[in-house]
Amino acid sequence: DTGVSQDPRHKITKRGQNVTFRCDPISEHNRLYWYRQTLGQGPEFLTYFQNEAQLEKSRLLSDRFSAERPKGSFSTLEIQRTEQGDSAMYLCASSFDGGSEEQYFGPGTRLTVT
Amino acid sequence: AQKITQTQPGMFVQEKEAVTLDCTYDTSDQSYGLFWYKQPSSGEMIFLIYQGSYDEQNATEGRYSLNFQKARKSANLVISASQLGDSAMYFCAMREEGAGSYQLTFGKGTKLSVIP
Repeated sequence: DTGVSQDPRHKITKRGQNVTFRCDPISEHNRLYWYRQTLGQGPEFLTYFQNEAQLEKSRLLSDRFSAERPKGSFSTLEIQRTEQGDSAMYLCASSFDGGSEEQYFGPGTRLTVT
Repeated sequence: AQKITQTQPGMFVQEKEAVTLDCTYDTSDQSYGLFWYKQPSSGEMIFLIYQGSYDEQNATEGRYSLNFQKARKSANLVISASQLGDSAMYFCAMREEGAGSYQLTFGKGTKLSVIP
């Protein structure tokens, strides 16, 4: 069990550019989540997948954000036309269906929009 | 109203002493789960402990225990025998299961500093 991995760990981009982040969940986990965390705050939920189906989306997920999980394995989160307010840590988590379903988090991708 | 309230922005504890981190929650769901996570300066969120709303016993995991008082809607984390490595941010989170949701709602966190 190698844990949840995220790539890249850091991303610096200019305002208006598109960025894409990748998350690889724990292999047997069928649920995958994206959260965003800004300085001094707890993580905020963005979206959730069960297998390849996107079942929940937060109102925080504007039209510029899109997430996919093809084949129910890894997931990508794309932000189009980035804004300075998008600067944050983007966290991915996964869980297994059943029991307490605790979510295991990856190390995050820190996005800085200049 | 805040769904998860952590009223202690920062706490100090002497090494080897016990410390309680406060968490209150607000939900109208009958079925919910409460979680505590630790976030060291490296940034990764580490799952510590879980309490289900129907669990009658307080959850324990090693040096961590959750003091669950359902009527008061509180879920305080108790860390016994604090260690220097316990210095980190601690987040309380809730999953409201009534609508079949799996998202976690987090509080703002408490920064714990363990003093040698």
